[in-house]
Amino acid sequence: AQSVAQPEDQVNVAEGNPLTVKCTYSVSGNPYLFWYVQYPNRGLQFLLKYITGDNLVKGSYGFEAEFNKSQTSFHLKKPSALVSDSALYFCAVRDMKGGGSYIPTFGRGTSLIVHP
Amino acid sequence: NAGVTQTPKFQVLKTGQSMTLQCAQDMNHEYMSWYRQDPGMGLRLIHYSVGAGITDQGEVPNGYNVSRSTTEDFPLRLLSAAPSQTSVYFCASSYSPQGSYEQYFGPGTRLTVT
Repeated sequence: AQSVAQPEDQVNVAEGNPLTVKCTYSVSGNPYLFWYVQYPNRGLQFLLKYITGDNLVKGSYGFEAEFNKSQTSFHLKKPSALVSDSALYFCAVRDMKGGGSYIPTFGRGTSLIVHP
Repeated sequence: NAGVTQTPKFQVLKTGQSMTLQCAQDMNHEYMSWYRQDPGMGLRLIHYSVGAGITDQGEVPNGYNVSRSTTEDFPLRLLSAAPSQTSVYFCASSYSPQGSYEQYFGPGTRLTVT
């Protein structure tokens, strides 16, 4: 079975400060991990993914995420937040062990609010 | 490429009515899926398809039907609308259900059932 948790419903950060949106996961095998962003009244957009290799993954809009296998985490980070980063962020996981079902599991989402 | 398109953008139904939410993609993706998004619930999978002629149930399939007669189209049918089906519906696609492929999402359909 696979699951993903986003422990914070909302993250508040001041513009220019670093931001972190947390994600932890549980899988039987090795994970494929994804981050998506949803701006108001829009569909989800893909930000970045971890498949294998370097634990630090870089994505769109200056975002990056660090895969930590021992802590089963995949936190999303950005060195300097912008007001335009305010959105809903979703973490998703797919177990490479699949087991016949290839469906990724999404977290409940974290609302990021960047204050001017 | 238009990507993933959904129609209509908004819909109001009365309890008991039926309707079809349309979804199409022009990327020749094998995998397509329907989600509903409710406040505090995140995304919940309704139905999915791994190719033309193949569909399966997701987490919350009751009250919904799907079919996949072509690679491009994946309509979602509400059989007899209920207020509990008031939600925002997203269609998504990806190149393959296997591997590391990310999903592409449509803009959503906001459905209200009165």
